Parts: sequence; C-alpha cells; structure tokens
Amino acid sequence: DAGVTQSPTHLIKTRGQHVTLRCSPISGHKSVSWYQQVLGQGPQFIFQYYEKEERGRGNFPDRFSARQFPNYSSELNVNALLLGDSALYLCASSPKRELLYEQFFGPGTRLTVL
Amino acid sequence: QKEVEQNSGPLSVPEGAIASLNCTYSDRGSQSFFWYRQYSGKSPELIMFIYSNGDKEDGRFTAQLNKASQYVSLLIRDSQPSDSATYLCAVNGGRGSYIPTFGRGTSLIVHP
Repeated sequence: DAGVTQSPTHLIKTRGQHVTLRCSPISGHKSVSWYQQVLGQGPQFIFQYYEKEERGRGNFPDRFSARQFPNYSSELNVNALLLGDSALYLCASSPKRELLYEQFFGPGTRLTVL
Repeated sequence: QKEVEQNSGPLSVPEGAIASLNCTYSDRGSQSFFWYRQYSGKSPELIMFIYSNGDKEDGRFTAQLNKASQYVSLLIRDSQPSDSATYLCAVNGGRGSYIPTFGRGTSLIVHP
C-alpha cells in the first residue's frame, strides 16, 4: 500500500516568492495535517484539514494557507517567502478527525529560501 | 502554552544495551503520547503510542507513561546501530486542544 506522498522533494525559492507544496494521504485517510520542521527542532503544527474543512491552525502568519480537495489530497501555500521559512515541510495523514490518534508522515518537502 | 521537553543528547549506548529516552510535558490534561523515530534527512516514523498509565511493549520497544509525574519514556532493549536516530516525543489532548506538540528530539547513538 502506498504511504503518504509529497511533492516536490526539494525546492529552492528566493525571498518574496510564493510556493505550493502538495500531499496525498494514505488511501482511506481523510485527515491531512501540515508541519514545519526546522533543523534541530521537532515538527511544529501548521494546519489540519478533515473532510475538506480546516479543523486546526497553529501559530503561523496568514502568509501560510492550505486547502483539501475532494480526493483528500492537500496543498500548502506560502506567500511572500522569508529566509526563516526554510525548513522541511511535512504532511501527515490520519484515518480519524481527532489528532489524539496516530498520524503517518510523508517524506517531506525540503524548502530552501535564498 | 503546552511544552514538551526532551534532552537533546546525544545519548550514546553500546550495542546490546538498553537505551532509555525521557520526555516531560507541562499540560496535565494531555491524553495521548507518541514516540517517533527520525533518521537524518528523513521524516518521522511512528514507533509507539500510549494513552494509559503504565507500560506498553512492542518488540524491543517499551513505552512508559506516568501521568502523575507528567513524563513518558521509551526503552529500547538490545540496542542496535540501526537504532541510531533522533527520537521525537509528541503529546496531545490537553485543555481540549487536539493539536499535537512535539519535543525537539533526543539523538541516540548506538556504537558497536
């Protein structure tokens, strides 16, 4: 069975640009969450989407936005990129709405902002 | 603000020994606790989760939860060099919030 997939694997952007990251959850999973992980830190929660609706939002600026499609795949958009946005962006899927239960991470997208 | 604390390490143990990784959390109402393993340059991989006080065993791994003392630990028996990785603790469910909070991880090195 395919796990969580993310694209692209790596991305290099310059300050001020915008970026779109994509995620496909495990088949049958309706919950998708996005995390940012900077080097040396644990993942930090950005968003959760369940059944195409936002169910949770972390402490990130409005430059970050996301959406979920009818097939449960998801996009994370970041506008007006800053150097500090350089990080590994992780997508995680779960079969349940509540994040009290286990989540499964994709391979991540490594974003470098120059 | 929820906090999850882990010693960043590195924790170095010889092959075959027991590795003990610890995590403390600040939100007494937390309900679910997870351990992830993350190899360098890779994404986190779920190892174990625990909801109730006590021990939960899965192969060489044992998770221990003590809600009164607000700590959760992971024991790895018969440690192997392939266990060398960063171990992330994640905590969820406090104060009605279902946003998981991760610690910064403990680096484990198992040397032959």
